[in-house]
Amino acid sequence: DAGVTQSPTHLIKTRGQHVTLRCSPISGHKSVSWYQQVLGQGPQFIFQYYEKEERGRGNFPDRFSARQFPNYSSELNVNALLLGDSALYLCASSGLRQGDRNEQFFGPGTRLTVL
Amino acid sequence: GDSVTQMEGPVTLSEEAFLTINCTYTATGYPSLFWYVQYPGEGLQLLLKATKADDKGSNKGFEATYRKETTSFHLEKGSVQVSDSAVYFCALMAPEGYGGSQGNLIFGKGTKLSVKP
Repeated sequence: DAGVTQSPTHLIKTRGQHVTLRCSPISGHKSVSWYQQVLGQGPQFIFQYYEKEERGRGNFPDRFSARQFPNYSSELNVNALLLGDSALYLCASSGLRQGDRNEQFFGPGTRLTVL
Repeated sequence: GDSVTQMEGPVTLSEEAFLTINCTYTATGYPSLFWYVQYPGEGLQLLLKATKADDKGSNKGFEATYRKETTSFHLEKGSVQVSDSAVYFCALMAPEGYGGSQGNLIFGKGTKLSVKP
């Protein structure tokens, strides 16, 4: 089975632009979470979606938004990009069963560079 | 709020040396605890986990024991290999019914391990 996939792999934007990052979860997983990993730091939680509804939001400005589609794939949107938004953006999916619910499987990430 | 503190790196060891990476946490209730590994240029891979006190998670020769009394989840390996060179992250997730990090992972800052032949 395919793991979590993310696109694009790399992205270069300039300040003020907006960006859309995409994620497809593991087949059968209904929950998707987004994390931002700045170089040299641990990932920071941005959003979690379950069954197309927002279940949690981290401490990020309103420039960050996300949504989940009927097929459980997800998009992360960032508006008015700042230099500080340069990071690796990680998507993780979680399964349905009680024992799986708290195990998150990560994709390879999208490396965003803001110039 | 919930938090994870892990020893700062980098940690440099010779092949076959013993590895310990310390991790302590602050959380309400009984969180689930995880170690993730990140190889250069890649995303995160789950290395091991423990969901209740005194559980021992183990995988690929690595192990960690959930210590409620010391709020710790230290990662150990008896004999490291060059291929273990990576960044290791300790993380927690609050259980259902609690606030804080419920449903999402709280990570430490990571510890970079370099193993020399």
